[in-house]
Amino acid sequence: KAGVTQTPRYLIKTRGQQVTLSCSPISGHRSVSWYQQTPGQGLQFLFEYFSETQRNKGNFPGRFSGRQFSNSRSEMNVSTLELGDSALYLCASSYNLGNNEQFFGPGTRLTVL
Amino acid sequence: AQSVTQLGSHVSVSEGALVLLRCNYSSSVPPYLFWYVQYPNQGLQLLLKYTTGATLVKGINGFEAEFKKSETSFHLTKPSAHMSDAAEYFCAVSYTSGNTPLVFGKGTRLSVIA
Repeated sequence: KAGVTQTPRYLIKTRGQQVTLSCSPISGHRSVSWYQQTPGQGLQFLFEYFSETQRNKGNFPGRFSGRQFSNSRSEMNVSTLELGDSALYLCASSYNLGNNEQFFGPGTRLTVL
Repeated sequence: AQSVTQLGSHVSVSEGALVLLRCNYSSSVPPYLFWYVQYPNQGLQLLLKYTTGATLVKGINGFEAEFKKSETSFHLTKPSAHMSDAAEYFCAVSYTSGNTPLVFGKGTRLSVIA
């Protein structure tokens, strides 16, 4: 069974631009969570989607948004990029909501210049 | 609110020596506890988890952890370190009931010296 895939793996953007990251969960998994990983703040929860609905949201500004499609694939969008948004963005999938065994993708490394 | 504290941002051990990575959690309800490992330029891989039942949990690659409720700890151990164990290790907690996201510790970087 294929693992969680994330595209692109690397991105370079400039301040003020927007970016969209994509995540394909493991086949059959219906929940997708997103995390931001930085050296200073560590791993921070962004949001979780299940059945195309956001079920949980972390403490991030409204510039960070996401969505989930009917095939469980998910995208996250960051608008008006800031230097501090440079991070590794990790997607994790799990079989069901409340199933805490999450499987992580390799991440998208975003650099904001 | 839940929180996780990992003591020591960097631990260095000799090859063949005991590995001990410390994790303490704070949770108002019974927790689910996890250890993940992250190799350079990769995502996180689940090493082991505690949900209910036996408090000594065995995971992959020879790692194990013991849930000690009285000490609110979930330390990760491995009897004999291997060079391939060099990586970053994260402890995480979530509630046993309801739908809550994982809360991660800051991570501990493990170096293994030949």
